[in-house]
Amino acid sequence: DGGITQSPKYLFRKEGQNVTLSCEQNLNHDAMYWYRQDPGQGLRLIYYSQIVNDFQKGDIAEGYSVSREKKESFPLTVTSAQKNPTAFYLCASTSGGLTGELFFGEGSRLTVL
Amino acid sequence: SQQGEEDPQALSIQEGENATMNCSYKTSINNLQWYRQNSGRGLVHLILIRSNEREKHSGRLRVTLDTSKKSSSLLITASRAADTASYFCAWSGGSNYKLTFGKGTLLTVNP
Repeated sequence: DGGITQSPKYLFRKEGQNVTLSCEQNLNHDAMYWYRQDPGQGLRLIYYSQIVNDFQKGDIAEGYSVSREKKESFPLTVTSAQKNPTAFYLCASTSGGLTGELFFGEGSRLTVL
Repeated sequence: SQQGEEDPQALSIQEGENATMNCSYKTSINNLQWYRQNSGRGLVHLILIRSNEREKHSGRLRVTLDTSKKSSSLLITASRAADTASYFCAWSGGSNYKLTFGKGTLLTVNP
């Protein structure tokens, strides 16, 4: 079945540690996204990538980094520079350009201890 | 803020009733989309309406768009307990082509 796989589903991190969230898709989509969701809030865009080896900052990129070495993969690193990293992180992809229908993974919940 | 608003923030109804959720945005748009999110899960796309469309249907869903008022509504008819979820609108347009999400409406359908 085609889809987006995020891992891990739950992650705990100590302050000062970097963590990497995985996002893999087998939908053959060119564009991939990372969003952050805080309780009771909408989604805020962290980074997006339209094509392999290219990515752009979203609205809240500070403290995060990404890479896009393969079409299928778009990992997100939450660095120690992110002041408030506890959140629900969602990866998405689309074949419809920047404004097409998004397909989402099941999310990764990061908790900083 | 680029985010618009959705209202109500929360809505509780009985099974069989209709549910209406509203979304307002601040920029000119290319299209507007509605998504559903079950608690702790990813979002699922429901429907997309383009800026030159005024109404669109999909099963029990009806979406309207009024670009003059910069608003959209999602109507779920004959609701079921399984419709309990958060519903988000998202729009693209303005000075960029990224999707901007509203804060969502939490719908609870009581059996």
